[in-house]
Amino acid sequence: DVKVTQSSRYLVKRTGEKVFLECVQDMDHENMFWYRQDPGLGLRLIYFSYDVKMKEKGDIPEGYSVSREKKERFSLILESASTNQTSMYLCASSARTSGRGQDTQYFGPGTRLTVL
Amino acid sequence: QKEVEQNSGPLSVPEGAIASLNCTYSDRGSQSFFWYRQYSGKSPELIMFIYSNGDKEDGRFTAQLNKASQYVSLLIRDSQPSDSATYLCAVNTGFQKLVFGTGTRLLVSP
Repeated sequence: DVKVTQSSRYLVKRTGEKVFLECVQDMDHENMFWYRQDPGLGLRLIYFSYDVKMKEKGDIPEGYSVSREKKERFSLILESASTNQTSMYLCASSARTSGRGQDTQYFGPGTRLTVL
Repeated sequence: QKEVEQNSGPLSVPEGAIASLNCTYSDRGSQSFFWYRQYSGKSPELIMFIYSNGDKEDGRFTAQLNKASQYVSLLIRDSQPSDSATYLCAVNTGFQKLVFGTGTRLLVSP
């Protein structure tokens, strides 16, 4: 079974703090993704990575950065947390091959981040 | 902008009925299509994927794809209260990313 794990289920931080969210997958997937999910807005892609040390901006990268030093690990960094970054953060991974279901994204359990 | 549209619902069906969830997409070059189920407070989990026109069945679930009409649907037969969740449609437009709809909330009443 594919397993994607995230470092915390719940996190409470103060405005201005630097926040690290970590994601680890055990399926040797090339692609990894960070989303945030807010009521009524659906899943929004923040960043994704298709290889070690590679990163691409998604739809809402402002206020975030990422790091991928190892294939299995993808970190999301909030440089200076703000209250509007309170959200559910979801990590996902997929194989590079497209089509026929091999591009399925598998999600971690999510991190509910609250910024006070 | 490539879009995936879903009716937000809620779609209410009685237990034992067929639930029909629909999704349209804008990019004709889309290659594969996914249905995810998401319970409240949980992460999305894959139900099934489809990449060829026609129907694909897996247990009580049937995905239907019509590329000419840019339409994909999910049928849930013999709906159970445990099927109550939000169902996300996702489309791979060919750039290693999935575009997600905002989801349809399904309520199955006993």
